[in-house]
Amino acid sequence: GNSVTQMEGPVTLSEEAFLTINCTYTATGYPSLFWYVQYPGEGLQLLLKATKADDKGSNKGFEATYRKETTSFHLEKGSVQVSDSAVYFCALSDRQGVSGGYNKLIFGAGTRLAVHP
Amino acid sequence: GAVVSQHPSRVICKSGTSVKIECRSLDFQATTMFWYRQFPKQSLMLMATSNEGSKATYEQGVEKDKFLINHASLTLSTLTVTSAHPEDSSFYICSARPATSPIGGYTFGSGTRLTVV
Repeated sequence: GNSVTQMEGPVTLSEEAFLTINCTYTATGYPSLFWYVQYPGEGLQLLLKATKADDKGSNKGFEATYRKETTSFHLEKGSVQVSDSAVYFCALSDRQGVSGGYNKLIFGAGTRLAVHP
Repeated sequence: GAVVSQHPSRVICKSGTSVKIECRSLDFQATTMFWYRQFPKQSLMLMATSNEGSKATYEQGVEKDKFLINHASLTLSTLTVTSAHPEDSSFYICSARPATSPIGGYTFGSGTRLTVV
C-alpha cells in the first residue's frame, strides 16, 4: 500500500543554518505530495505541495521538489529561524486515476525541528 | 481562505461518559470530512471518513460503535467518543476540503485534546 517515510527527529539546528528533512514515498497511481507543519498544541497547516513530477512547492522560504525517479520530496530551507521550530509532516494524497474524487492523506511519522538562537 | 473550526479545543471527562467534538467548515461546503487521531509525538492516524448524508467509512481497527460520526449537513461533522476510557485520551483533528480546491487542498481544524480521567 501507499506509505510515507520521513527521517527521524529531533533535528536540532542553530538559527540561520541550512535545513533538510528527508521524505520518501511509496505509491501507485498519481499521488500529490505535501508538507504540513504543526506548531505546539495546534492543528496542521499546509506548508507547500506539489502535484506532479518535477514540480517544486515553495512557501515561507521552504522548498521541496517532487522527484519521481527517487520517489522523494525532501524539505529544504536555506536559513532557519527560531520561529520555524515545529513538527513537520510529509504526506501524500492517493489520487484515484487522473480525476479521482476525494483522497485520503497518508502521513509520515513527523520530524520535530528545534531551532536555537 | 478555507477555514475549519473545531470545538472544543480541550476537554476533560470522566471515564464512562461520552464526549462530542464538532468540526465546522466556516466558509465552504464540505461533502467529505476526515477525522484523525494523534498520540503524543506520533503521526496522524486516519480514523474515518465522514460523508454528508451517509454513513462514515471507518479505517481498519477503528471501532465504529465507540467513535460515532455524524455528518448531517454540508458544514458540520461531529465525532462522539462514547463510554470514554483513559486509553481514548488523545489529540483528535478533523480536516475538510472545499469542492473547489485542487486535489489535496485540505484544511485542518486546530484539534481537540481529550483527557479521560
